[in-house]
Amino acid sequence: RKEVEQDPGPFNVPEGATVAFNCTYSNSASQSFFWYRQDCRKEPKLLMSVYSSGNEDGRFTAQLNRASQYISLLIRDSKLSDSATYLCVVKENTNAGKSTFGDGTTLTVKP
Amino acid sequence: DAGVTQSPTHLIKTRGQQVTLRCSPKSGHDTVSWYQQALGQGPQFIFQYYEEEERQRGNFPDRFSGHQFPNYSSELNVNALLLGDSALYLCASSLRIDRAASKDTQYFGPGTRLTVL
Repeated sequence: RKEVEQDPGPFNVPEGATVAFNCTYSNSASQSFFWYRQDCRKEPKLLMSVYSSGNEDGRFTAQLNRASQYISLLIRDSKLSDSATYLCVVKENTNAGKSTFGDGTTLTVKP
Repeated sequence: DAGVTQSPTHLIKTRGQQVTLRCSPKSGHDTVSWYQQALGQGPQFIFQYYEEEERQRGNFPDRFSGHQFPNYSSELNVNALLLGDSALYLCASSLRIDRAASKDTQYFGPGTRLTVL
């Protein structure tokens, strides 16, 4: 079993749709959590950190449930430019050490 | 302010050869991590360097080795290349001690795409 598992996807949605991605992690020692975005043949870029209280950044909302070891990302009012692969990432140590990535979920937003 | 740079951008090698990939961290960063990303998968952690020493290692064989220089730049070396080593190799830099501990200050370079024939 992978340490970080994501919805396999792909997700194909129309513009304006709301889409949710889920992620589970197996290491209970994980301390920090993130969503990254990766465009085709580009490097991953940090989308947002995920906090226990939940956090929002514009159309994006992230939630963390430590008890269930579950992370989610909600995208509202999808735009064509949201088309990308979304990677769920966990770290044991906030300042050092490896980041463990899921395999990503691919989103395609269509006109 | 230059971001993370990697060289070369593309590389083609044959099985059994050796390869060296290079990374210069973002200005002000002192820690470099290397990742391997195979097609259709997420990046897999290879190792991390800080103060010119390997600090943490992922599940990769000894054929994968690295080095960090006094200017914080880093090299990834892969010996005895296998077809399965074909992947995008990503370098990420960060600051070891970051007061904004809740934020991942890890920045990725554009990667080196290695093809082993």
